[in-house]
Amino acid sequence: AQSVSQHNHHVILSEAASLELGCNYSYGGTVNLFWYVQYPGQHLQLLLKYFSGDPLVKGIKGFEAEFIKSKFSFNLRKPSVQWSDTAEYFCAVNARAAGNKLTFGGGTRVLVKP
Amino acid sequence: KAGVTQTPRYLIKTRGQQVTLSCSPISGHRSVSWYQQTPGQGLQFLFEYFSETQRNKGNFPGRFSGRQFSNSRSEMNVSTLELGDSALYLCASSPTGIVTGELFFGEGSRLTVL
Repeated sequence: AQSVSQHNHHVILSEAASLELGCNYSYGGTVNLFWYVQYPGQHLQLLLKYFSGDPLVKGIKGFEAEFIKSKFSFNLRKPSVQWSDTAEYFCAVNARAAGNKLTFGGGTRVLVKP
Repeated sequence: KAGVTQTPRYLIKTRGQQVTLSCSPISGHRSVSWYQQTPGQGLQFLFEYFSETQRNKGNFPGRFSGRQFSNSRSEMNVSTLELGDSALYLCASSPTGIVTGELFFGEGSRLTVL
């Protein structure tokens, strides 16, 4: 069973719409959480990360994510998307329970129509 | 500051051959990690090296190996290639490592096994 799940494989939406991408993981204990983005023709880059503290973290380009420990979730959100947000988004988890390996979700391809 | 450089960018091999991929990290980064990306399996962690020592390893067979040199440059080797090894191999560098650090990815080496 996949240890990091991104339930939506493809998302299509129009500019100015709100975006929420789900990420669930199956590890208990201490986790570090990441969202990475890959724009067309570019390499993966970090959007945001959570280690501890405020469960609502803000990243670059207006993205934010909320860590809900009880739900083992780390969902990514953006209130109003732009065409330039078209990309593939990956959730990643580093869990002590998994030997500190970094596990990626399967990715979600987001297409924003102008 | 130069980014992560991976060579070669593209290569074609036949079954049974071996391949060596190279990664030059961002200057000052001591951690180099490797990932395999395929359409079916997504992004999978191969291993991480930190200051010439393998610090972590994913669930890949022993045909996949790596090393890191004193200048932090890293190589990974795949022996006895199989068709299923066709993938994009990504390298990432980090000043502190995969547990807490932001990863800086290269553009990848695309391996095709015929």
